[in-house]
Amino acid sequence: EVHLVESGGGLVKPGGSLRLSCAASGFISSDAWMGWVRQVPGKGLEWVGHIKNKIANEATDYAAPVKGRFTISRDNLRNTVTLHMTSLKIEDTAVYFCTKASGSFDSWGQGILVSVSS
Amino acid sequence: DIQMTQSPSTLSASVGDRVTITCRASQRISRWLAWYQQKPGKAPSLLIYMASKVGSGVPLRFSGGGSETEFTLTISSLQPDDSATYYCQQYNSYPLTFGGGTKVDIK
Repeated sequence: EVHLVESGGGLVKPGGSLRLSCAASGFISSDAWMGWVRQVPGKGLEWVGHIKNKIANEATDYAAPVKGRFTISRDNLRNTVTLHMTSLKIEDTAVYFCTKASGSFDSWGQGILVSVSS
Repeated sequence: DIQMTQSPSTLSASVGDRVTITCRASQRISRWLAWYQQKPGKAPSLLIYMASKVGSGVPLRFSGGGSETEFTLTISSLQPDDSATYYCQQYNSYPLTFGGGTKVDIK
């Protein structure tokens, strides 16, 4: 069974940085594209970005609002995916979901809250 | 960017009703469309991919249809457990985009 568990969320000041981790199990994570989707509480879903598998050279793609500020990386030996967020803005406040992505998102973590506030 | 527009934004129906949600894409996306169900406080879960393929473990009362710019999600016989918000998502091109959601309530 696929299991994704996020960690590392919390409260951070505008302009600060935060690193989210996603621990994957139940599948060969190195074969999978992995992504992040966020959701402002009470609002809709927004794709953040993803990292492709080794065959696709672990290439990354990002949504325009986070491009240049967020970086997704992966450690295939530890079956983890990391979302490194810098220059955080108040509008980055959201629940961040780790996903197993193949175009559609077939598995999701439980989500973790990131709050950006002074 | 491809805009995804869902309708209605909310609907209320009775147990046993047939319910249809529509998702329209601002550009042709072939069948690169997924549907998700999200219950309050929970992560979304995949219902339908490739417009009409049912996800693993998804009850057979859920079905998807359509292509290019117009898509539907149908619940053939609404159950109490189906009270949730439903989202469509296109994966034809970047950025990947979601519809605004349809909240389904049970009368």
